[in-house]
Amino acid sequence: AQSVTQPDIHITVSEGASLELRCNYSYGATPYLFWYVQSPGQGLQLLLKYFSGDTLVQGIKGFEAEFKRSQSSFNLRKPSVHWSDAAEYFCAVAASGGGADGLTFGKGTHLIIQP
Amino acid sequence: NAGVMQNPRHLVRRRGQEARLRCSPMKGHSHVYWYRQLPEEGLKFMVYLQKENIIDESGMPKERFSAEFPKEGPSILRIQQVVRGDSAAYFCASSPMQGTTGNTIYFGEGSWLTVV
Repeated sequence: AQSVTQPDIHITVSEGASLELRCNYSYGATPYLFWYVQSPGQGLQLLLKYFSGDTLVQGIKGFEAEFKRSQSSFNLRKPSVHWSDAAEYFCAVAASGGGADGLTFGKGTHLIIQP
Repeated sequence: NAGVMQNPRHLVRRRGQEARLRCSPMKGHSHVYWYRQLPEEGLKFMVYLQKENIIDESGMPKERFSAEFPKEGPSILRIQQVVRGDSAAYFCASSPMQGTTGNTIYFGEGSWLTVV
C-alpha cells in the first residue's frame, strides 16, 4: 500500500522568500503524485500533478514540484511567497494501476507567512 | 459547469442523532469518493462508489457509517448515533472514470460536522 510523509508540520517563511515543502512517498511502481492546497474552512484545490514525463512540473499560483525517483520525493517549491499563500498543503499519491484507487494523503504542512 | 456540490456545508448534531451528508458529483461523473479529515490530520479515504455500487469501503468504520450512490440523486454518507469523535470535515470527490487518472478527481468544498 502506498503512503505519504510530509516531515514538516509547520513552516514559517517571510513574505517574498523562497519556499520548499517536502514530500516523500512510498509506492512500489511509478506513482501519480499531487499537491493540494486548503485554506481554512475550505475544500482542496489542486496545485499540480505528476503522472509521467518531465520530472519538473509547473502548477498554478507560481508553484512547481520536482519528482525525484531516487529519493522518492516530490517537493513543492515557490521562488517568492505571498501572504495569500498561507494555508495547509497536502501531498498525495495514487496508484498507477487499476482498481478502486483513491488518493492517499500526507498529514499536511501548515504554511505561515511572516510579514 | 458546476463542480462537486456538497451539502450541508456545516452540520451540528447532538450525540446519538443521525447525520446525513450529501454529494452531487460533477456533471458526467459516475464515480464518487468520500474522505474524512479529522482535526490536524490529512484526508483519509473512506469509500468509493459508482452508481448503485460500493466498490471499496475499506476506509469506512465498521459500525454506524454507511454510504450510497443511487441511480438518481446525490451520494449520501450517513452516520448513525453520532459521537464526538465523528466531528470532522467530510469531503466528497468525483471522477468520470476509475480513479487511475487522478487529474480527473475533483473535490467538493466539504461538510463540517460538529457533534455536541
